[in-house]
Amino acid sequence: NAGVTQTPKFQVLKTGQSMTLQCAQDMNHEYMSWYRQDPGMGLRLIHYSVGAGITDQGEVPNGYNVSRSTTEDFPLRLLSAAPSQTSVYFCASRVGDGANVLTFGAGSRLTVL
Amino acid sequence: KQEVTQIPAALSVPEGENLVLNCSFTDSAIYNLQWFRQDPGKGLTSLLLIQSSQREQTSGRLNASLDKSSGRSTLYIAASQPGDSATYLCAVLMDSSYKLIFGSGTRLLVRP
Repeated sequence: NAGVTQTPKFQVLKTGQSMTLQCAQDMNHEYMSWYRQDPGMGLRLIHYSVGAGITDQGEVPNGYNVSRSTTEDFPLRLLSAAPSQTSVYFCASRVGDGANVLTFGAGSRLTVL
Repeated sequence: KQEVTQIPAALSVPEGENLVLNCSFTDSAIYNLQWFRQDPGKGLTSLLLIQSSQREQTSGRLNASLDKSSGRSTLYIAASQPGDSATYLCAVLMDSSYKLIFGSGTRLLVRP
């Protein structure tokens, strides 16, 4: 049982490049989400999904796309990277609704030059 | 709009001290409140979850309380140890939906 796995752990991009951050969980969790963490600002929700084929926007969705074709995977796509997207990104999942705790991945540190 | 505040931003205490971390929120209509721990370069680990109908939760040396009417939660750590050094974050859920709102955290250093 690996929990929530994020790849890559580190990535450097140039402005305008695109990339995908991968997130996979092996716990059969219906809910998956992406957060970004910036210094002094806590974590902010980017996108979330309550099941395969269902996604919705969080607090800061602009510049990011997601899809959920399987229960296990929830990739986050940066379409045209900007320096403002330099951050640490966390994927998290849980079973059921908000009464249950979130399990977080180890994070992906992205730098956009 | 719900805002979650954690004060102080950083705290340094000698080993063995009992300590309290504070979390405040502006909208008392919460579904639950959660405390997380984050070690440097790592993800978040859930410590305690308090449902809106509960007043406190305990796990080992940790005790979290919730006072919805005043918009406050505290995390009490008994007999602190150097291994408790980490950043502690609180987060509130406004309803049974799927959006947690996080505070910016308190960075704790327990000195040997």
